[in-house]
Amino acid sequence: ETGVTQTPRHLVMGMTNKKSLKCEQHLGHNAMYWYKQSAKKPLELMFVYNFKEQTENNSVPSRFSPECPNSSHLFLHLHTLQPEDSALYLCASSQQGGGGSYEQYFGPGTRLTVT
Amino acid sequence: GQNIDQPTEMTATEGAIVQINCTYQTSGFNGLFWYQQHAGEAPTFLSYNVLDGLEEKGRFSSFLSRSKGYSYLLLKELQMKDSASYLCAVRDSNYQLIWGAGTKLIIKP
Repeated sequence: ETGVTQTPRHLVMGMTNKKSLKCEQHLGHNAMYWYKQSAKKPLELMFVYNFKEQTENNSVPSRFSPECPNSSHLFLHLHTLQPEDSALYLCASSQQGGGGSYEQYFGPGTRLTVT
Repeated sequence: GQNIDQPTEMTATEGAIVQINCTYQTSGFNGLFWYQQHAGEAPTFLSYNVLDGLEEKGRFSSFLSRSKGYSYLLLKELQMKDSASYLCAVRDSNYQLIWGAGTKLIIKP
């Protein structure tokens, strides 16, 4: 595997379910990100981990819970979601957080539908 | 608040040149990025500007004016495969990326 991978690619879940999204980066990067992408809206940054430490939580509801066990893996645990949480969830990584020209590399995303 | 403005959609002809504009109002500035996103795919990095001026990369160029809060992405010799959304993002004073909603570019033969 190369780059950033995400599983599953598609997920349909009920509002009472619990599921997890997985992201893995094979680039040796130290920063990882979760984004939400809804149709015709800007990417919304949800969580940032830099060197396995969470450095940003942009007022995300507690029904979304991130986990970063090491610098290569990132999870997003989901529970009691709402229909408006249906979106594309993108994982990204970069050499490190902070300044510099470090671009972010994105995974293919998980298309989530909450019924 | 912080805001990135881009046109929602643009149409251009194969072989032509198109300029996609981006204006921003952010708390601080630490660089501007352009990404390309084909439908159903991940965004991919195109360019980075932190100083005023033009950065050229093959058929793609990106320009930045910090005093005007303005950037553009210039695509030359358009090809059908350039049909995609183009995302402008600014890194703010907290070093977080603020994203525009993207410009959908449609290329016609």
